Amino acid sequence: EAQVTQNPRYLITVTGKKLTVTCSQNMNHEYMSWYRQDPGLGLRQIYYSMNVEVTDKGDVPEGYKVSRKEKRNFPLILESPSPNQTSLYFCASSLLGTGTSVSYNEQFFGPGTRLTVL
Amino acid sequence: DAKTTQPNSMESNEEEPVHLPCNHSTISGTDYIHWYRQLPSQGPEYVIHGLTSNVNNRMASLAIAEDRKSSTLILHRATLRDAAVYYCILRDYARPAAGNKLTFGGGTRVLVKP
Repeated sequence: EAQVTQNPRYLITVTGKKLTVTCSQNMNHEYMSWYRQDPGLGLRQIYYSMNVEVTDKGDVPEGYKVSRKEKRNFPLILESPSPNQTSLYFCASSLLGTGTSVSYNEQFFGPGTRLTVL
Repeated sequence: DAKTTQPNSMESNEEEPVHLPCNHSTISGTDYIHWYRQLPSQGPEYVIHGLTSNVNNRMASLAIAEDRKSSTLILHRATLRDAAVYYCILRDYARPAAGNKLTFGGGTRVLVKP
């Protein structure tokens, strides 16, 4: 089954304690990205990657790091979490291309990770 | 980025059609019109996309105005499972990296009444 998986699904942590949220996809997608969702602000892109070792900032990258050492994995790293990073996080993946078919236009999202930073 | 405007919420009765409008008056020639939905406690999921012609798939239909400045997502027979937030998003297919970024607005919250 084609899917994007995230772990953990729920996490409560304290300010300053480094954490990593993992994301993995089994569809051989080049493009992967992270979004955060906050009430009233919608989903906003944090970082994205167009392929292995190619990453770039999205709209709200401050306080986050990512890496893309393998095509299937795209972990999100919070080196020193703060309460304003309490949010719902989604990983997404898709093919990278300009085709008209569904396969080039459909993005797959993970189930989400609810993070609370105390 | 071109923006979209959607009503905040809509209600429908079960097994009746739902027409969800979206205005995108500043759409460019290379923007696809995408629809995603987010069910409660889940990540967004792709519904449908189109460029100029109307599109149908197993989930919904997409009707695109001739001038492309507006579109309508049609759920032919709403079920309780269709209760979700529906997002209308423009994606620039001419720019692969920027085009893969989905800019989510507030969406339309659809309530389906039994």
